[in-house]
Amino acid sequence: KAGVTQTPRYLIKTRGQQVTLSCSPISGHRSVSWYQQTPGQGLQFLFEYFSETQRNKGNFPGRFSGRQFSNSRSEMNVSTLELGDSALYLCASSLSGTGLFEQYFGPGTRLTVT
Amino acid sequence: AQSVTQLGSHVSVSEGALVLLRCNYSSSVPPYLFWYVQYPNQGLQLLLKYTSAATLVKGINGFEAEFKKSETSFHLTKPSAHMSDAAEYFCAVSGPTGNQFYFGTGTSLTVIP
Repeated sequence: KAGVTQTPRYLIKTRGQQVTLSCSPISGHRSVSWYQQTPGQGLQFLFEYFSETQRNKGNFPGRFSGRQFSNSRSEMNVSTLELGDSALYLCASSLSGTGLFEQYFGPGTRLTVT
Repeated sequence: AQSVTQLGSHVSVSEGALVLLRCNYSSSVPPYLFWYVQYPNQGLQLLLKYTSAATLVKGINGFEAEFKKSETSFHLTKPSAHMSDAAEYFCAVSGPTGNQFYFGTGTSLTVIP
């Protein structure tokens, strides 16, 4: 079974631009979560989608948004990029909507904002 | 509210020595607990999980962890470190409702030959 895939793997953007990252979960997984990973902050939860509905949201500004499609694929968008948005963005999928099931992570998208 | 604290952001052990990575959790509900490993430029890989069955959980690559409710701990151990164990390790907690995972800040393990 194919794992979680994220595209693109690397991205360089300029301050003020916007960016869209894509995540394809493991087949059959309906929950997709997004995390921002930085050296100083560790993994910070952005949001979680289940069956196209955002169920949980972390403490990030409104510039960060996401969505999930009927095939469970998910995208996250960051508008008006800031230097501090440079990070590894990780997507994780899980089978169901409870914390019982572990999350499977993709390799991440490395975003650099200049 | 749920959270995890990983004591020690950097741990160094000699090859063949015991690995002990510490994780303490805080949860108002019975927790589910996880350990993940991250190698450079990769995503996180599940090592093991506790979901209220046996308190001693065995995972991949010879790792195991013991759930101690009285100490609110879920420390990760491996009897004998290998060079290939050098990586970043994350402890995480979730609850029976919702699907929000809370991760610790990670412990970087260095294995000295």
